[in-house]
Amino acid sequence: GAVVSQHPSWVICKSGTSVKIECRSLDFQATTMFWYRQFPKQSLMLMATSNEGSKATYEQGVEKDKFLINHASLTLSTLTVTSAHPEDSSFYICSARDQTLSPHEQYFGPGTRLTVT
Amino acid sequence: AQSVTQLGSHVSVSEGALVLLRCNYSSSVPPYLFWYVQYPNQGLQLLLKYTSAATLVKGINGFEAEFKKSETSFHLTKPSAHMSDAAEYFCAVSDLGSSASKIIFGSGTRLSIRP
Repeated sequence: GAVVSQHPSWVICKSGTSVKIECRSLDFQATTMFWYRQFPKQSLMLMATSNEGSKATYEQGVEKDKFLINHASLTLSTLTVTSAHPEDSSFYICSARDQTLSPHEQYFGPGTRLTVT
Repeated sequence: AQSVTQLGSHVSVSEGALVLLRCNYSSSVPPYLFWYVQYPNQGLQLLLKYTSAATLVKGINGFEAEFKKSETSFHLTKPSAHMSDAAEYFCAVSDLGSSASKIIFGSGTRLSIRP
């Protein structure tokens, strides 16, 4: 149980274009979802937290207009990187939590590797 | 705000030797603590977690960690290293007291195993 999927697993896009990454909870309702970014050989940095039906809360230093997060349903959250640039190339990992089931557990997706050329 | 500090960005041990990866936490409320492993180009796998029950926590793949409040530590150990243990290990913390809790990661420790 508690499986989180991400799609796509890797994506290459050209500079200036936008790319959308999906995060789905397959067998539970994700009341809260989290988006992390990991640069090569570095740790995971939390970008934002989103609750279903509400606007995302972004961490300090993360541009909300560049990284659009939508959490429209209890099983799906999307991260859209707008006007992507090479410095946005990174490994993006989402996680999900069912607040009613376990308020402090987060289940992580397999990650999406974004390369901007 | 809670945080974790991992001492040593790279640890190298011989196959069969003891593995010790260090983690110290900072939290104003009782913490949840986690150890995750990440293999190259893969996502995270939960090794074990401390949730205020037993202070000695046993996880998968023979790993265990001990919560020591007096030392604010949660070090990860394995009695005998295996080649397959080579990976990146992350200590993480989440606070118990907030409904808006989130997991914050340490900087990571790369474990290498020498034949």
